[in-house]
Amino acid sequence: KQEVTQIPAALSVPEGENLVLNCSFTDSAIYNLQWFRQDPGKGLTSLLLIQSSQREQTSGRLNASLDKSSGRSTLYIAASQPGDSATYLCAVSHSGGGADGLTFGKGTHLIIQP
Amino acid sequence: DAGITQSPRHKVTETGTPVTLRCHQTENHRYMYWYRQDPGHGLRLIHYSYGVKDTDKGEVSDGYSVSRSKTEDFLLTLESATSSQTSVYFCAISPGQGYGYTFGSGTRLTVV
Repeated sequence: KQEVTQIPAALSVPEGENLVLNCSFTDSAIYNLQWFRQDPGKGLTSLLLIQSSQREQTSGRLNASLDKSSGRSTLYIAASQPGDSATYLCAVSHSGGGADGLTFGKGTHLIIQP
Repeated sequence: DAGITQSPRHKVTETGTPVTLRCHQTENHRYMYWYRQDPGHGLRLIHYSYGVKDTDKGEVSDGYSVSRSKTEDFLLTLESATSSQTSVYFCAISPGQGYGYTFGSGTRLTVV
């Protein structure tokens, strides 16, 4: 059974810092990995989608990497801003049979201090 | 999110009553999913659909049923609501395996 772990569970940093969120998964048989952002009481907003054949994806100040063989992904946020405060979720789409759908980590709760 | 809507947004119901949540999409995506989100458990898959009338169970399907009679609608029914089904329910859509997922805004369900 695929398991996804996100470290740290919570992070608080001053505005302007660069930071890294970590995600690991146990089964490398994946189609892709997707990073989401969730604001309190809201739905999930997709940030980046990395296909299993890709090494990284970039969108603005965000950069996500994927090392499928070691079961790891990182989300790098450059020059953090208070508006980046949210919970960040990592999810993998499993290709090894069984139920379809995404398997999620429990998220990293990020606070950017002004 | 544009292209996917969930209704109702909030609902309070009594234990033992049936409840139906609706997910509607305008993207014509083949795949639709129902998740629940709970503190300490994160998001877990309940049921999913890979086409009209084609559905399958997810990780936490007990006490839930689904139906998909049209491409655009995916219904989640709690046959007899229990307090353990108090949760936030999210619908998601995807064009197919290997593509990204888009989530709805969620339904907050409270069973009293």
